[in-house]
Amino acid sequence: GAVVSQHPSRVICKSGTSVKIECRSLDFQATTMFWYRQFPKKSLMLMATSNEGSKATYEQGVEKDKFLINHASLTLSTLTVTSAHPEDSSFYICSATSLAGDETQYFGPGTRLLVL
Amino acid sequence: QKEVEQNSGPLSVPEGAIASLNCTYSDRGSQSFFWYRQYSGKSPELIMFIYSNGDKEDGRFTAQLNKASQYVSLLIRDSQPSDSATYLCAAISGSARQLTFGSGTQLTVLP
Repeated sequence: GAVVSQHPSRVICKSGTSVKIECRSLDFQATTMFWYRQFPKKSLMLMATSNEGSKATYEQGVEKDKFLINHASLTLSTLTVTSAHPEDSSFYICSATSLAGDETQYFGPGTRLLVL
Repeated sequence: QKEVEQNSGPLSVPEGAIASLNCTYSDRGSQSFFWYRQYSGKSPELIMFIYSNGDKEDGRFTAQLNKASQYVSLLIRDSQPSDSATYLCAAISGSARQLTFGSGTQLTVLP
């Protein structure tokens, strides 16, 4: 149980385009979903926390208009990187906590974004 | 000041040995602690969580928590080359109930 999927797993795009990443909890309902980014050989950096039906809470330094988060249902959250630039290239990982469980976060497999 | 500290390593142990990974945290209000394993290029996968003082065992893994010393550890018995990865210690604290990660310890198990 507690499986989280992400799509796509890898994306390459041109500078200036927007990229949408989906995060789904497959076998549980997620109260909260989290979005992280990770640079090579660094630890995870929390970008934002989202709860179904409400606006995401962004961490300091994360641009809300740049990284749009939509949490439309208890099993789906999306992150859209708008007008992507090469410095947005990173490993984006989502996680989710279960409505019926404790605070354990289950991570998706991640999406590797490369902006040319 | 980082809220969760780990020795970044690298830590090398021979196959079959016990690997000991340590973590300290600064927020006394932290109540839940997690160990994740992350292989290169992959996302973290949960190994164990621990809430209470003492030891918690799951197969070859034992998590230890000492709230008085603000210390969490993970022991891996009979280490295997497949255990080679970065191990992330994390704590939940604060009203936002977010995970704060340590920087990770890179473990290499030598065959």
